[in-house]
Amino acid sequence: SQQGEEDPQALSIQEGENATMNCSYKTSINNLQWYRQNSGRGLVHLILIRSNEREKHSGRLRVTLDTSKKSSSLLITASRAADTASYFCATATLNTGNQFYFGTGTSLTVIP
Amino acid sequence: SAVISQKPSRDICQRGTSLTIQCQVDSQVTMMFWYRQQPGQSLTLIATANQGSEATYESGFVIDKFPISRPNLTFSTLTVSNMSPEDSSIYLCSVLRGTGSYEQYFGPGTRLTVT
Repeated sequence: SQQGEEDPQALSIQEGENATMNCSYKTSINNLQWYRQNSGRGLVHLILIRSNEREKHSGRLRVTLDTSKKSSSLLITASRAADTASYFCATATLNTGNQFYFGTGTSLTVIP
Repeated sequence: SAVISQKPSRDICQRGTSLTIQCQVDSQVTMMFWYRQQPGQSLTLIATANQGSEATYESGFVIDKFPISRPNLTFSTLTVSNMSPEDSSIYLCSVLRGTGSYEQYFGPGTRLTVT
């Protein structure tokens, strides 16, 4: 069953702008991971943030985690047309071990 | 990261038939997972495939419909049995890598269309 919910469901921005996507989840987690999926393609692992971490960076990506609010955000800075994709968060919960449950996803369109 | 391949990459099948999807990993892994992604939807976990034991199925998925094999630590198969159009989806296998907190890596997926 899906653990997370992402918001917004769809986001359209101009190239060069920043894109922020949010993920909320229901139960305590071990870690949270963000993925990108280009249309019709497989999932690409972007970043993992552990439950004891609050922020992580990877290139133009910045992920935050607020366990008190059970939420995470993914910020893509200086967006490019190639960033157009669907973005998903996935959580590994404490009571399910290494099984991951995916959020509903955010469809991002970056307009050149 | 992990190099994961799936076969076939896509298939169009008749209602009532079965399709077996293969997943091959470039190195040994303890746990492999099978997901389904219906058109325009997120991923739903079907089952966890552990080598040497029966797969563990998520609620709503049963072994008779989705039998899974895991003969060794680098390979698994998922069969979609007695297919109906509702089974049209992308099927993905995944593995975990790392220690402590695991990163999950996915195969490219198998796009199944049932007519």
